[in-house]
Amino acid sequence: GAVVSQHPSWVICKSGTSVKIECRSLDFQATTMFWYRQFPKQSLMLMATSNEGSKATYEQGVEKDKFLINHASLTLSTLTVTSAHPEDSSFYICSVQGLAGGYEQFFGPGTRLTVL
Amino acid sequence: AQSVTQPDIHITVSEGASLELRCNYSYGATPYLFWYVQSPGQGLQLLLKYFSGDTLVQGIKGFEAEFKRSQSSFNLRKPSVHWSDAAEYFCAVGGMETSYDKVIFGPGTSLSVIP
Repeated sequence: GAVVSQHPSWVICKSGTSVKIECRSLDFQATTMFWYRQFPKQSLMLMATSNEGSKATYEQGVEKDKFLINHASLTLSTLTVTSAHPEDSSFYICSVQGLAGGYEQFFGPGTRLTVL
Repeated sequence: AQSVTQPDIHITVSEGASLELRCNYSYGATPYLFWYVQSPGQGLQLLLKYFSGDTLVQGIKGFEAEFKRSQSSFNLRKPSVHWSDAAEYFCAVGGMETSYDKVIFGPGTSLSVIP
C-alpha cells in the first residue's frame, strides 16, 4: 500500500490565524487525495476531494473559502484553515486513492488542530 | 442514499474470546466493502476489503469478514482477541454510486479488551 505522511502532526494556533496542513504521498503519484475531519469519538467526515491540477470538490456544508485545498503536484496536497476559530479544532486526516482505483484509500496519520 | 451502520457503539470482550463486529450497508449497486482500524494516535489501517469473488475475506492480524448480500452485511470476525486489538473499527462502502471514488464510513465501533 501507499505511504502517506502529514505535517504537522499537531498544531496549536490563536483564533483568527491561518494554518496549513500538508499531505504527502511518499511512494507513488496520487492524482486523487481526500481530506477528512474527525471529531472525538466520531467517524470520519469527508470534507473534500482533491484532484491534481484542478479545483477541489467540496462536500455539502463545507465552506470552501474556509478550508482551502491545493493539490499542486502528484505528491502533495495542502489544506489551509483560514481565520481559524475554536470550533475548527479537530483531527484532520488525508488519504490517497490507491493506484488500482477500486476505492481503496491509504490514510495519513492525521493532524490535531487546536485553536485557542 | 448510500449509508453504513454499525449497530454497536462500544464492545468489550475478554482477551482470547471471539469477536464479531457488525456492519450493515445500504447501497444500490454492487458495493466495495472495507474494514479499517484506528488505534489511539494512529492513522487508519486497512484490515481487509471485498471487491468481488469469495464472500469470505481474510485480512491482516487474523481478521476475516463475510459479505452477505441478502442481509446487506459485512461483519468482521476474529476467533481470539488480543489486548492489542483494542481500537476503533470502521466499516466503509464505496462503488459506482459514489462519485470521485469516494467511500462512506460507518460511525465506528470502539473495542475494549479485558486482560
